Amino acid sequence: AQTVTQSQPEMSVQEAETVTLSCTYDTSESDYYLFWYKQPPSRQMILVIRQEAYKQQNATENRFSVNFQKAAKSFSLKISDSQLGDAAMYFCAYRTYNQGGKLIFGQGTELSVKP
Amino acid sequence: DVKVTQSSRYLVKRTGEKVFLECVQDMDHENMFWYRQDPGLGLRLIYFSYDVKMKEKGDIPEGYSVSREKKERFSLILESASTNQTSMYLCASSGLGLAGRTDTQYFGPGTRLTVL
Repeated sequence: AQTVTQSQPEMSVQEAETVTLSCTYDTSESDYYLFWYKQPPSRQMILVIRQEAYKQQNATENRFSVNFQKAAKSFSLKISDSQLGDAAMYFCAYRTYNQGGKLIFGQGTELSVKP
Repeated sequence: DVKVTQSSRYLVKRTGEKVFLECVQDMDHENMFWYRQDPGLGLRLIYFSYDVKMKEKGDIPEGYSVSREKKERFSLILESASTNQTSMYLCASSGLGLAGRTDTQYFGPGTRLTVL
């Protein structure tokens, strides 16, 4: 069975600085997707970025980028130029190829941004 | 934009009551999901549905059932609510993207259920 681990329950960053959130996963599949979701205090889960396992190039989305290391089964999220609105719970998620594409989530990392 | 709505943001019920949580999506998505979110555990899949009247058990289906009579609506049912079902419940939906592969999941705002 696939598992996703986020080892940092809480992180803090100064506004305008860069922060990296860690995520590792375990799977025997070769084809899958990885995601980072953001859940602000209002609780609406929002997709931040996605990565297809077959792509070697790391995904980027404006100030958000990932470091995808397939062999190491590592998928970290880098937030550059942090803003107050980035404060939220961040979840790393793995999507299975089968089983309706269900998501397997990590425990979450709560990010606070200091002004 | 994809819109997934849930019938209530907050709900308080008593032990033994039958509870219905409703989820509606407006993007004609084939797949719909119910997750439960608890601190330190992330989100865990309860049930999902890939078509009308079709359902599959997720990782923690015990104590729950679901209903999908129409494509846009997916209901989660707690037949007899218990205190250990106090949690945040999130609904999600996804369509079929390229080559029929499941696309990105979009989430509703969540329902905070308290069972007393």
